Amino acid sequence: SAVISQKPSRDICQRGTSLTIQCQVDSQVTMMFWYRQQPGQSLTLIATANQGSEATYESGFVIDKFPISRPNLTFSTLTVSNMSPEDSSIYLCSVEFDRAWETQYFGPGTRLLVL
Amino acid sequence: AQSVAQPEDQVNVAEGNPLTVKCTYSVSGNPYLFWYVQYPNRGLQFLLKYITGDNLVKGSYGFEAEFNKSQTSFHLKNPSALVSDSALYFCAVRDLSGGSYIPTFGRGTSLIVHP
Repeated sequence: SAVISQKPSRDICQRGTSLTIQCQVDSQVTMMFWYRQQPGQSLTLIATANQGSEATYESGFVIDKFPISRPNLTFSTLTVSNMSPEDSSIYLCSVEFDRAWETQYFGPGTRLLVL
Repeated sequence: AQSVAQPEDQVNVAEGNPLTVKCTYSVSGNPYLFWYVQYPNRGLQFLLKYITGDNLVKGSYGFEAEFNKSQTSFHLKNPSALVSDSALYFCAVRDLSGGSYIPTFGRGTSLIVHP
């Protein structure tokens, strides 16, 4: 397993602004994922962030709106740009250590409210 | 394509009684199946998984799940519920034979254990 931290844990933002969420892992991982969890709904994968390559975005998510950085094997950021109230959600990062076992481990989440 | 269904939004059970949280899946190849739990204001925590082998999988906190290929199900069970088990439970599936490593999560089932 791993210890995964996210900053900030929560925030209230004004529409039109941007917020960068940080994800830090206590050991090196190859694959990191960013999810969105809207109230009463399941997890939706935003993108996969592998170190040394561009993030891979899922359908409905674009780099201009959700730019991602992955500068090393223990850290990643997700930016929510030009926010609107529809972006209010919980944003979760997750990591995967051993591809053979396919278990994901999740951070505590960032609770975002856009006014 | 792969999909997961959790037919119950909420399951209510009295403390000490057995509980079942249902999950059915659809994949084109062989499934990797997972259960995660999310406590209030926390990220998802891994509970157990089925990769191959014994159909009955035992996990943390007394939980177990049975893989049933003919019924395409992976129901989560616990013989004696605790109030502290109250949380949101997510089933997830991966179909690596299809070449995709992206997991699909169910919509979640809220388990409420009454004292």
